[in-house]
Amino acid sequence: DQQVKQNSPSLSVQEGRISILNCDYTNSMFDYFLWYKKYPAEGPTFLISISSIKDKNEDGRFTVFLNKSAKHLSLHIVPSQPGDSAVYFCAASATGNTGKLIFGQGTTLQVKP
Amino acid sequence: EPEVTQTPSHQVTQMGQEVILRCVPISNHLYFYWYRQILGQKVEFLVSFYNNEISEKSEIFDDQFSVERPDGSNFTLKIRSTKLEDSAMYFCASSELAGVYNEQFFGPGTRLTVL
Repeated sequence: DQQVKQNSPSLSVQEGRISILNCDYTNSMFDYFLWYKKYPAEGPTFLISISSIKDKNEDGRFTVFLNKSAKHLSLHIVPSQPGDSAVYFCAASATGNTGKLIFGQGTTLQVKP
Repeated sequence: EPEVTQTPSHQVTQMGQEVILRCVPISNHLYFYWYRQILGQKVEFLVSFYNNEISEKSEIFDDQFSVERPDGSNFTLKIRSTKLEDSAMYFCASSELAGVYNEQFFGPGTRLTVL
């Protein structure tokens, strides 16, 4: 089941620079997208979300962009901080189901001081 | 800040044994979920639960699995006869309103090791 794909298993950026994490999906029924951050030995922590009626949602240093025609979304973190180092999961959901989230494989972000 | 809690943090069991994983969702949440993550793989949906019944379940959630909300606060996942391949992190999640457009809050997980 590859409905949600994060093709980059890892990303390394310098502190203060922009981190861009990408996610692609195949199911056109998805209409709600979320990003979660996960530290080792912890559960996923909700970061930011976007519905399909929008193309951008911003919350502080985090911005999510949605390109429906390309079935692509991205998470921008500006400026990146060492505490942002974690695994980032993209997840998607579709109206009509019960809120079931379909997750990508995750991207490990390392922010170097 | 309200949070989802899970016990135990780590459960070791022998193949064929029954295990019960426990979760306390956020108190005003109405929708409950179980997910699992096998080491090195993605987080996978197992089951959603609302109004004391299963709303949706995945192919993974076969007859060996069951969920229950025995009282007003706990939400449990039971595996009747564990297999080696059940070894994974199991995450409980809850959300306030209907699933879509409401983020799910996850617990810290229970690491299940089946020997």
